[in-house]
Amino acid sequence: EDQVTQSPEALRLQEGESSSLNCSYTVSGLRGLFWYRQDPGKGPEFLFTLYSAGEEKEKERLKATLTKKESFLHITAPKPEDSATYLCAVQGETGANSKLTFGKGITLSVRP
Amino acid sequence: NAGVMQNPRHLVRRRGQEARLRCSPMKGHSHVYWYRQLPEEGLKFMVYLQKENIIDESGMPKERFSAEFPKEGPSILRIQQVVRGDSAAYFCASSPTGAGTPQHFGDGTRLSIL
Repeated sequence: EDQVTQSPEALRLQEGESSSLNCSYTVSGLRGLFWYRQDPGKGPEFLFTLYSAGEEKEKERLKATLTKKESFLHITAPKPEDSATYLCAVQGETGANSKLTFGKGITLSVRP
Repeated sequence: NAGVMQNPRHLVRRRGQEARLRCSPMKGHSHVYWYRQLPEEGLKFMVYLQKENIIDESGMPKERFSAEFPKEGPSILRIQQVVRGDSAAYFCASSPTGAGTPQHFGDGTRLSIL
């Protein structure tokens, strides 16, 4: 069974204070690892897909990296508008291959 | 902006009633997924459908829950004889193809059971 663990559960940063969010996973053959952002009362908003170890993706202040066991979401010089819950999900090769298995998320608060 | 549309956004039902949740996928997307988010828990997969076919229902409770994605119209998640434990946020996602492509989510239906 695919599993995803995210840490820490919550993170409070000062504006401009860079940090990293961790996503550890076990999966029977990785088809893709996905990062989403979720704001209160909203659905998850797609950020990145990573497919193989060593791959990196960047978007504004966010950078996602992938190894065979974990992924990191690095936030550089965060701003208050980066405050949200960040979700990590994996898609494995078992079954119909399309379901996402999510972690519980990391709630990020950025203080001005 | 033709994103994934879910309605209603909020639904209140009494125990024993039926709940119907609707989802219109993004334009050009023929793959639909339903997930449930319970308080303090992560999103849990329920079912994966393509037009007129259920592809994977491994996350669906065996009783009272059903889903469809007809040839015409939105996908429907139906919960019969609702119980308090069904209270949750139900999210629909869609993708243009299956495995490996990002799933794009709607803003969910918040179901409350009195």
